[in-house]
Amino acid sequence: QLQLQESGPGLVRPSETLSLTCTVSGGSMSSNSFFWGWIRRPPGKGLEWIGSIYNSGSTYYNPSLKSRVTISVDTSNNQFSLRLSSVTAADTAVYYCAGPLWRRFDNWGQGTLVTVSS
Amino acid sequence: FMLTQPHSVSESPGKTVTISCTRNSGSIATNYVHWYQQRPGSSPTIVIYDDSQRPSGVPDRFSGSFDTSSNSASLTISGLKTEDEADYYCQSYDTTNQVFGGGTKLTVL
Repeated sequence: QLQLQESGPGLVRPSETLSLTCTVSGGSMSSNSFFWGWIRRPPGKGLEWIGSIYNSGSTYYNPSLKSRVTISVDTSNNQFSLRLSSVTAADTAVYYCAGPLWRRFDNWGQGTLVTVSS
Repeated sequence: FMLTQPHSVSESPGKTVTISCTRNSGSIATNYVHWYQQRPGSSPTIVIYDDSQRPSGVPDRFSGSFDTSSNSASLTISGLKTEDEADYYCQSYDTTNQVFGGGTKLTVL
């Protein structure tokens, strides 16, 4: 079974860029039908889809975040990444990576808390 | 489109509870609906996929369905146990977006 693990800084300053990486293990992420996504959960709120990337590199972003989000994939290293620019306190959340299908998220990482604060 | 869930539900152990998920535009039957359980401090896990399918390891107390007349999907949990207390999210998609419902906090008391 695929396992996913997020990594990256737990503290980001306002106006800077949040960067996270998800490492996939337990199998190859190179299948042509695989999609990989990022989801977050702010404190006291529900799950919010941030965006997804197809192994070919095609990306799909939440319209509310699209102007600030970049997701990339590196199948040779079994990783995909999230960059969220110009962060504010509203971006404080537990960030999850998940996959491997478009229509649902069967496998999730454990999540990583990112706090935006000076 | 958006998916709307009740903010919270509560029921006693042994009873049955149903959580609804209403789609505001487009037919609920157009794309599959999935349900996730999230316990405090844990990642979400899928309990129902493709409207009504149960992953291996999920008890048959969990079931899913949808109703086109109300344009909503439902998660039903029977024989409630205290371990079922968690947040539950519905999720669906279209060709370019993923959508989660706002989540329902289930209290078993």
